[in-house]
Amino acid sequence: DAGVTQSPTHLIKTRGQHVTLRCSPISGHKSVSWYQQVLGQGPQFIFQYYEKEERGRGNFPDRFSARQFPNYSSELNVNALLLGDSALYLCASSPYGGSEAFFGQGTRLTVV
Amino acid sequence: AQRVTQPEKLLSVFKGAPVELKCNYSYSGSPELFWYVQYSRQRLQLLLRHISRESIKGFTADLNKGETSFHLKKPFAQEEDSAMYYCALDFGNEKLTFGTGTRLTIIP
Repeated sequence: DAGVTQSPTHLIKTRGQHVTLRCSPISGHKSVSWYQQVLGQGPQFIFQYYEKEERGRGNFPDRFSARQFPNYSSELNVNALLLGDSALYLCASSPYGGSEAFFGQGTRLTVV
Repeated sequence: AQRVTQPEKLLSVFKGAPVELKCNYSYSGSPELFWYVQYSRQRLQLLLRHISRESIKGFTADLNKGETSFHLKKPFAQEEDSAMYYCALDFGNEKLTFGTGTRLTIIP
């Protein structure tokens, strides 16, 4: 089992641009969550999707959006990037939407 | 407010000595409690979950509801325990709230 896979691994974007991050969950897992981890902090919850429906949303602006596809993979989109969006973005999957999560390696986003 | 606090950013312990990583939370209910670990250049992974009451890699964690704490303990530290440790709680909404983490260094 390859575990949760995320792409790309690293990304550099300019302020104001848009970014799309991708996540493939563990086979059989129907729930995907996204977390943002800035340097020196623990991961912070952004979204949870289960069976293609949004189950939860953290305290993030509307510039952040996500979706889940029929194969349970997911995308996180961030519009109008700010310098403060620079962080490690983690995707986690779980079988049924509970909080026991299996994490991917993350996507390191740098906004310049 | 629901909050998870790990008071120590850094902790150094000699090999063979006991380890205790502190985690405190503020919540009046009964959360689900987890410890996650991140070894160098590896992904964040679940170390243990309170509800399963398992001991993983010699680590245990005891919930103290009176003190609202969930400290992680190991009686004899090993060099391979050096890592970043995060306490995480589910306050009943199926999302994890993480502490800021403690970097544990085991001194040979």
